[in-house]
Parts: sequence; structure tokens; C-alpha cells
Amino acid sequence: GQQLNQSPQSMFIQEGEDVSMNCTSSSIFNTWLWYKQEPGEGPVLLIALYKAGELTSNGRLTAQFGITRKDSFLNISASIPSDVGIYFCAGQRRVSGNTPLVFGKGTRLSVIA
Amino acid sequence: DGGITQSPKYLFRKEGQNVTLSCEQNLNHDAMYWYRQDPGQGLRLIYYSQIVNDFQKGDIAEGYSVSREKKESFPLTVTSAQKNPTAFYLCASSTKQNSPLHFGNGTRLTVT
Repeated sequence: GQQLNQSPQSMFIQEGEDVSMNCTSSSIFNTWLWYKQEPGEGPVLLIALYKAGELTSNGRLTAQFGITRKDSFLNISASIPSDVGIYFCAGQRRVSGNTPLVFGKGTRLSVIA
Repeated sequence: DGGITQSPKYLFRKEGQNVTLSCEQNLNHDAMYWYRQDPGQGLRLIYYSQIVNDFQKGDIAEGYSVSREKKESFPLTVTSAQKNPTAFYLCASSTKQNSPLHFGNGTRLTVT
């Protein structure tokens, strides 16, 4: 099955720094989602994007739905230790019914205090 | 509180045994999903169900089976035919209108 190309694979940053990660695909998606997973838990939804060009914020997090509908990025500003985790992008094509999500392989974020 | 409950959190089995992972949701969601997570692999779809008594294979269904007899429940059986069953298994659900997935907290299965 198709997977999204998510980068970087991992990041080590200093507390207070800004973070940027992105996902690209060879196919068009109608929805882009960003999830965060902490150790031993399930992913939790951070931001959902439904329109090309859409820019949405959730606190220190900002995500954008690329104009071409083939990419999305997530920015985290002024990182803090609790931002540590794995961040996943997910794309969905709304053809009919419930079309399963396609996930990226994740970006593992480590924050050094 | 509404949510998705996966049990048990940790499961240990001997090779050659079938094992069933439980997933229950009280969110009144129509669709339910099973994903497998391996280090560095992201989430891979095993099976999904859009409605009671109906389910479809995902990308890696071989060696797994599911049932959907009730809206709230979507158990996953890992059979002895699954070559590498040791993994972290995640159950999720969503409403019918392609809304984002809500995930349970996973079951870590170890087969030795």
C-alpha cells in the first residue's frame, strides 16, 4: 500500500527552538491530518486540514495543506520538553464511504532542555 | 467519557498459538480500524470495517482475521499463519463522514 514521504525521520533540538516537518505524496489527497504519539500510547489528533492552501493553528502548532494537494507541513514554535514524541502525517482521499488514511512513517522529535 | 478501549495493554504468547486482541468503543462510531506499528515503519492498515457485519482487508491482512458483530466491538485475531506477529497493535474508529480517526492506547503483543 502507498505511504507518504515524511521528513525528517528524526530531530534533536534545543528547548525554545522552532521545528518544521513535512509530508509529500505523488498522489492528491483531500484531507491532511497531523497526529502526535507519545511512548506506549495511541496517536492523538493535533490538526486536521480539509482545503488546499488552508493554514490552521493549534496553540504553538501550525499546519498547512499544500496548494498542489500533494504535501503538508507542520511547524512547532518555541519547543518545550513535552513536545517530545513521534509526529505522523496522514492523508485521505474522499472517494466514497470511509476511505482509510495513509500514514507517513513519522518524525521522532527529541527536545533537549 | 467516550473513548476506545484496547485490552490487554501487554500480551505474551507462544509461537503457533492464535491470540485475540480486544477493541471496544463507546463513541457511536460506524467505522473501526486495526493498524500495526513496527519501529520505523509507521502505521500499516490490517483490516477495517465501515459497518456492522462488514469488513475489508487492508494492506497487510495476511495472517489476521476480524469480526464485527456489534457496532461497539472489533476484535482482531492474530493467527499462527502471521509470520512476524510481535508488534504494537492500534485500534481506531471514525464516524461515517470521513472524519479523523480516534485511536486507542494500543496492545503490545510479544510472541516467542
